[in-house]
Amino acid sequence: DAGVIQSPRHEVTEMGQEVTLRCKPISGHNSLFWYRQTMMRGLELLIYFNNNVPIDDSGMPEDRFSAKMPNASFSTLKIQPSEPRDSAVYFCASSFGPTGSNEQFFGPGTRLTVL
Amino acid sequence: EDQVTQSPEALRLQEGESSSLNCSYTVSGLRGLFWYRQDPGKGPEFLFTLYSAGEEKEKERLKATLTKKESFLHITAPKPEDSATYLCAVQGGTGFQKLVFGTGTRLLVSP
Repeated sequence: DAGVIQSPRHEVTEMGQEVTLRCKPISGHNSLFWYRQTMMRGLELLIYFNNNVPIDDSGMPEDRFSAKMPNASFSTLKIQPSEPRDSAVYFCASSFGPTGSNEQFFGPGTRLTVL
Repeated sequence: EDQVTQSPEALRLQEGESSSLNCSYTVSGLRGLFWYRQDPGKGPEFLFTLYSAGEEKEKERLKATLTKKESFLHITAPKPEDSATYLCAVQGGTGFQKLVFGTGTRLLVSP
């Protein structure tokens, strides 16, 4: 298996623009997680999907952020409009099981820079 | 609120010089404590899960231990390839609960 696939790997955009990050989880995994990593706050969960359904979105910072999982093999995280404080590395992770307790497999991340 | 504090923030060792990384935590009803390794430019990679005080797990030169308040990641005779950031996370409660991560310890092992 190729592991969790994320695209793009790097994104540079200007404030106010829409940004869409993409993730393909490991085949057979039914849990998908979007995380954000910054130097100050470390790794934080944004949203969790189980069987394509959003279960916990309490970490989504504000309405500018939205996430979808239209099927078991694809998810998107969208920021509209983007702001400089959104600059961070965004990781997608997948695992099997509903509780978040099992090993999570992380993708390589998308480094987002908002100018 | 669940909290994780890792120390030191950074650690520099000579090859072969054993040491320990600390993860102190507060959590309501610990379900699991997780250790991940993260290399620069990559996503975290799972190492261990510990479930109860007194439990220990080993993998090559790494051994993780757990008490009711903290976990240690012991590195025995480290090699340069052990250089990475080591992340600790806790999960508590029941049902789905998110992992709460510490900010990590950056380990550099010099040859």
